[in-house]
Amino acid sequence: NAGVTQTPKFRVLKTGQSMTLLCAQDMNHEYMYWYRQDPGMGLRLIHYSVGEGTTAKGEVPDGYNVSRLKKQNFLLGLESAAPSQTSVYFCASSRGEKNIQYFGAGTRLSVL
Amino acid sequence: DAKTTQPPSMDCAEGRAANLPCNHSTISGNEYVYWYRQIHSQGPQYIIHGLKNNETNEMASLIITEDRKSSTLILPHATLRDTAVYYCIVRANFGNEKLTFGTGTRLTIIP
Repeated sequence: NAGVTQTPKFRVLKTGQSMTLLCAQDMNHEYMYWYRQDPGMGLRLIHYSVGEGTTAKGEVPDGYNVSRLKKQNFLLGLESAAPSQTSVYFCASSRGEKNIQYFGAGTRLSVL
Repeated sequence: DAKTTQPPSMDCAEGRAANLPCNHSTISGNEYVYWYRQIHSQGPQYIIHGLKNNETNEMASLIITEDRKSSTLILPHATLRDTAVYYCIVRANFGNEKLTFGTGTRLTIIP
C-alpha cells in the first residue's frame, strides 16, 4: 500500500551542488508530476510526464530537469542548486482519466 | 482555467459541520470542481469532486449551486484531524491538465 514514495525526505545542499530527487509510484499510473511549495503558498507545477519516455514543462521549469525512463519512476534533477530552490518538493501521479492526483509525502530541500 | 476564490481562514468547533465556500464564477461547462486538503507538512490529499450534481463520499459532501458559480465543501462532523488547508480547484476532467493550487482556506478545528 505504498502509493507515491519520495526519496530523500530531507536534504541540505550547498550552492552549485547537484542532486536528484526520486519519485516512485506503484499504482501503474500514466501521469506523473513534480511540484514545489514555498512557505505560505500553493503548489506550483515544475514538470510533468504523460507516459514513459515523455516529459513536459510546467509553470516553473527553469533550473530543473526531469526524466521518465520507467513508468513507475519520475526523477527531478537540480544541476546547479541555488538558494531560490529551497522549497518543499512534492511528486504526484494520476491515471489521467479522472485527474485525481495522489501525492507523496514531500522532500524538504535547503540550499545554503 | 477558471479562477477560484476562498476565504483565507475559518474556525469550526469540533463535532460540528464545517462548511467551506468557494466561488468560481468563470467556470466553463466542461470543468469540474475538485477539493484537496493539505495537513501540515504532508502532501495534498484528494477529497471529492463534482460537475453539477451534489456529491457525497466517506470524507465529505460537495454542494454545487445550480448556476455552478459557487460550491461548498461540507465536513459533517469535524474532528481535530481535519485541521488543514483546503484547496478548491476547477479543472477539466480529462488528460494531463495540471492542478492549479491557490492559497486555499486554512481550517482550524477548535476543541
